Amino acid sequence: GQNIDQPTEMTATEGAIVQINCTYQTSGFNGLFWYQQHAGEAPTFLSYNVLDGLEEKGRFSSFLSRSKGYSYLLLKELQMKDSASYLCAVTDSNYQLIWGAGTKLIIKP
Amino acid sequence: DAMVIQNPRYQVTQFGKPVTLSCSQTLNHNVMYWYQQKSSQAPKLLFHYYDKDFNNEADTPDNFQSRRPNTSFCFLDIRSPGLGDAAMYLCATSRTGEGNQPQHFGDGTRLSIL
Repeated sequence: GQNIDQPTEMTATEGAIVQINCTYQTSGFNGLFWYQQHAGEAPTFLSYNVLDGLEEKGRFSSFLSRSKGYSYLLLKELQMKDSASYLCAVTDSNYQLIWGAGTKLIIKP
Repeated sequence: DAMVIQNPRYQVTQFGKPVTLSCSQTLNHNVMYWYQQKSSQAPKLLFHYYDKDFNNEADTPDNFQSRRPNTSFCFLDIRSPGLGDAAMYLCATSRTGEGNQPQHFGDGTRLSIL
């Protein structure tokens, strides 16, 4: 079956750095997305990785290792508004998007 | 601004009473999706349209139907809502269905069943 694993919840301190991991087992791979979802709101697109390596976009970076079926989202200089769920999603060989359940990130002052 | 708009934001209906949720987009994207999302769970794809081609997920209940009368609009019809259908319903679009394009979401409709 197809599966995406993320930690359920993480806590970090304002101003610090946090890394949210995602591992996946899917039938084929055509790219990995990270989305941010604030409570009660819709997901918003953060990043897309299809090749191995690190993609940096401001305070957020996303890393991919296809051989390991592994990605992480790195958030730097954490702000209170970064408190949200972060969803990892993988496009499989049929171009179907497989979603993880998300990691709830709690930022403390 | 180009966007995906869902109406209403909150919908309350009675057990068994049909309800329709609407979605419109100004992005001119080819693909439109409907997802169901329950608390702390991953979004669950119900169906999607590539242009006028309808694609139903195998485990989507028959109770859920969809219409896409034109490029801009898509509707989700729940014929006889049950208590288990209370959830957030998300509409999303993507430019193509090739999987390398991000999906753009509306704000969602939170459905409550009395």
